[in-house]
Amino acid sequence: EAGVTQSPTHLIKTRGQQATLRCSPISGHTSVYWYQQALGLGLQFLLWYDEGEERNRGNFPPRFSGRQFPNYSSELNVNALELEDSALYLCASNSLGVNPAAFFGQGTRLTVV
Amino acid sequence: QKEVEQNSGPLSVPEGAIASLNCTYSDRGSQSFFWYRQYSGKSPELIMSIYSNGDKEDGRFTAQLNKASQYVSLLIRDSQPSDSATYLCAAYPDSGGGADGLTFGKGTHLIIQP
Repeated sequence: EAGVTQSPTHLIKTRGQQATLRCSPISGHTSVYWYQQALGLGLQFLLWYDEGEERNRGNFPPRFSGRQFPNYSSELNVNALELEDSALYLCASNSLGVNPAAFFGQGTRLTVV
Repeated sequence: QKEVEQNSGPLSVPEGAIASLNCTYSDRGSQSFFWYRQYSGKSPELIMSIYSNGDKEDGRFTAQLNKASQYVSLLIRDSQPSDSATYLCAAYPDSGGGADGLTFGKGTHLIIQP
């Protein structure tokens, strides 16, 4: 069974540009969570999508947005990139009603220069 | 503000000894707790889950939970150099629906000395 997959693995962008990160959940999982892991800050909850809807977001500005597609894959968009957006972005999936522990993809390393 | 606190380390332990990692959490509503292992540059890997007070053992790993003290720990027996990594503690409110995702500590860097 395939795990959570993310693309690209690395992304380099210039300040002010937009970045798009993609995530495919484990087959059968309907929920996708996005986390940011910036140096020194630990893993921070960004966004939760379930059944195609944004269900909740963490303490991040509106320029962090995304969507979930009918096949439950998800896209995270970061607009007007700032240097401090440089981080490892992790996607996790689970299925509501079962073990809530999230299974992470390999992450996208975003570098803003 | 929900917080999970961990000593950042590094925690240095000789090979073959027991490594003890600790974590405290602020949200008394937290019901589920997880330990993840994260190698440098890689994504976190779930190694233990614990939901009830007491001990839970899985191979060389033992997780301990004390909800009254809001304290979670992970013991690694017969530590191996391959156990050298950052260990993340996470709490989950289990309020139904997963609204907030997991709350993570910043992790403890463990070094197993050969």
